[in-house]
Amino acid sequence: GAGVSQSPSNKVTEKGKDVELRCDPISGHTALYWYRQSLGQGLEFLIYFQGNSAPDKSGLPSDRFSAERTGGSVSTLTIQRTQQEDSAVYLCASSFGLAGGGGFGPGTRLLVL
Amino acid sequence: RKEVEQDPGPFNVPEGATVAFNCTYSNSASQSFFWYRQDCRKEPKLLMSVYSSGNEDGRFTAQLNRASQYISLLIRDSKLSDSATYLCVVRRGGGSTLGRLYFGRGTQLTVWP
Repeated sequence: GAGVSQSPSNKVTEKGKDVELRCDPISGHTALYWYRQSLGQGLEFLIYFQGNSAPDKSGLPSDRFSAERTGGSVSTLTIQRTQQEDSAVYLCASSFGLAGGGGFGPGTRLLVL
Repeated sequence: RKEVEQDPGPFNVPEGATVAFNCTYSNSASQSFFWYRQDCRKEPKLLMSVYSSGNEDGRFTAQLNRASQYISLLIRDSKLSDSATYLCVVRRGGGSTLGRLYFGRGTQLTVWP
């Protein structure tokens, strides 16, 4: 079946602009995660949605970052007033409940000039 | 203390060698364990789950020691295609972050001819 998809695959923006990144999880998966990864670095946790529970936002680096998940499916990560240090690959993953590992999307490569 | 700790390596081994990676986790409430692999500039992909009794998948053997909070991955008869970064992943089993996946920073493996 279809895996996790993300759009856009690449995004170049100017410093100070807002960006929206989209994640379509695997159908039926109740858990959704956002991570980011800078070149040569490990995964940095951003936010975690699990069913109807309040999301775990503890990884969001500043109030410029926000995410929502509509209807328990698609998620959007929004970065306001982008900064150069926001440049990274933003990865989304989903999993079915509390079982199994998560499947990742191909990521969105964000470059802030 | 980080939730998941791994030796970052790099490990450089010849083809045919046996190599082992170790990982420790800090939260005893962790309930599920996984190894992922990540190729350069690609998203992480689930390699295998880790079960309490230990499990094998071809050349790969995973072990879990709950008492020591320690996970291992053994790769036998290394192939060039095994070159990647191997990520140790733990799922929290309780508390406010129930179900969240925690990733280690990864161990880099290079297999040379």
